[in-house]
Amino acid sequence: EVQLVESGGDLVQPGGSLRLSCAASGFTFSHYWMHWVRQAPGKGLVWVSHINGDGAYTTYADSVKGRFTVSRDNAKNTLYLQMNSLRAEDTAVYYCARPGSAFSKYIWFDPWGQGTLVTVSS
Amino acid sequence: EIVLTQSPGTLSLSPGERATLSCRASQSVSSSYLAWYQQKPGQAPRLLMYGASSRATGIPDRFSGSGSGTDFTLTISRLEPEDFAVYYCQQYGSSQFTFGQGTKLEIK
Repeated sequence: EVQLVESGGDLVQPGGSLRLSCAASGFTFSHYWMHWVRQAPGKGLVWVSHINGDGAYTTYADSVKGRFTVSRDNAKNTLYLQMNSLRAEDTAVYYCARPGSAFSKYIWFDPWGQGTLVTVSS
Repeated sequence: EIVLTQSPGTLSLSPGERATLSCRASQSVSSSYLAWYQQKPGQAPRLLMYGASSRATGIPDRFSGSGSGTDFTLTISRLEPEDFAVYYCQQYGSSQFTFGQGTKLEIK
């Protein structure tokens, strides 16, 4: 069974840092691009970032560029999101998501993890 | 960046009725790279449709998708109680993947 389990969400002060993790199982992790998507409380889904299978290629939404860094450890089947210079508007549930097919960049997201909540507040 | 606009924002219907949800793109979505997701409170989104009209594994055939270019539609032929949720469209044809703002389908 394919599983994605996020962790690392917490309450952090503005300007602070946090690292999220997404542990993957049930599939060959290194064969897949991986995505981060966030959802502010009561709001819609916003794509944040993605990374290719070997970690050499990354892309970010303009709202997080220069502050967030996506990475992966294929030996540990784990995806990461390092978040620096956090702002109140970064408060959201952060989901990791796998594309529907291996080796595919432009593909739908399936499945998603259950999400981890990041709250940025003083 | 491709902007997706969903309408209506809220749709109030009764079980057994037909639901029609719209998703309009600010520019053409290449190769119909358009997906639909369902999200229930406290849950992660679930893939319903991809390629504009292909049902994901396990999705009942009362769900159907259509459209191309800039106009896409999700139709639920006969609403079941478990279908009341928020629905999002997403384009995955460009590096800046984008979602619509969502349509809330509520029980009338």
